[in-house]
Amino acid sequence: EAQVTQNPRYLITVTGKKLTVTCSQNMNHEYMSWYRQDPGLGLRQIYYSMNVEVTDKGDVPEGYKVSRKEKRNFPLILESPSPNQTSLYFCASSPDRGRYGYTFGSGTRLTVV
Amino acid sequence: AQTVTQSQPEMSVQEAETVTLSCTYDTSENNYYLFWYKQPPSRQMILVIRQEAYKQQNATENRFSVNFQKAAKSFSLKISDSQLGDTAMYFCAFMKHSAGANSKLTFGKGITLSVRP
Repeated sequence: EAQVTQNPRYLITVTGKKLTVTCSQNMNHEYMSWYRQDPGLGLRQIYYSMNVEVTDKGDVPEGYKVSRKEKRNFPLILESPSPNQTSLYFCASSPDRGRYGYTFGSGTRLTVV
Repeated sequence: AQTVTQSQPEMSVQEAETVTLSCTYDTSENNYYLFWYKQPPSRQMILVIRQEAYKQQNATENRFSVNFQKAAKSFSLKISDSQLGDTAMYFCAFMKHSAGANSKLTFGKGITLSVRP
């Protein structure tokens, strides 16, 4: 089944403890992106990648890192999480720069206390 | 920068009836794409329908159709014969068409639609 897989689905952590949210797609998509969803703000782009080893900042990149060492994987790294990073996170991928829409993962609910 | 506005935070509709969700956007681009995404309580983001700005014909997908008014920068979603499974949050999204650039989706704040039995 063609899909974007995110893990974990839920995560509660403490301030300052490094964490990684994994994202993997099995559709050979070149384009991948991370978004965060907050109430009243919709979804906002954090980082994106146009291909292996090609990544760049989105609208809200502060406090996040990404890497794209393989085409299928695009992990999101929080080196020192803070409470304002409590949010719902989505990974998305597309084969054609999103012209026909993106396939989204099932989301990761992160709580930083 | 592009902005997407969904001014209605919530709507409710009786099962089997028709409902229209509104969306306006602001851009200086001439070529772009517009999307409606559905987010049910499972929180999965599901593409409902897409529209290419250079196509005048309104997109239709089964019970879902759009009214795309390019000059007015309006992109509303009509759901016909509403079903209980349509209960969800709906997001309007914009993406500019620009080779080599960030193919970012710009989302509105979303609208919560409840379908009453």
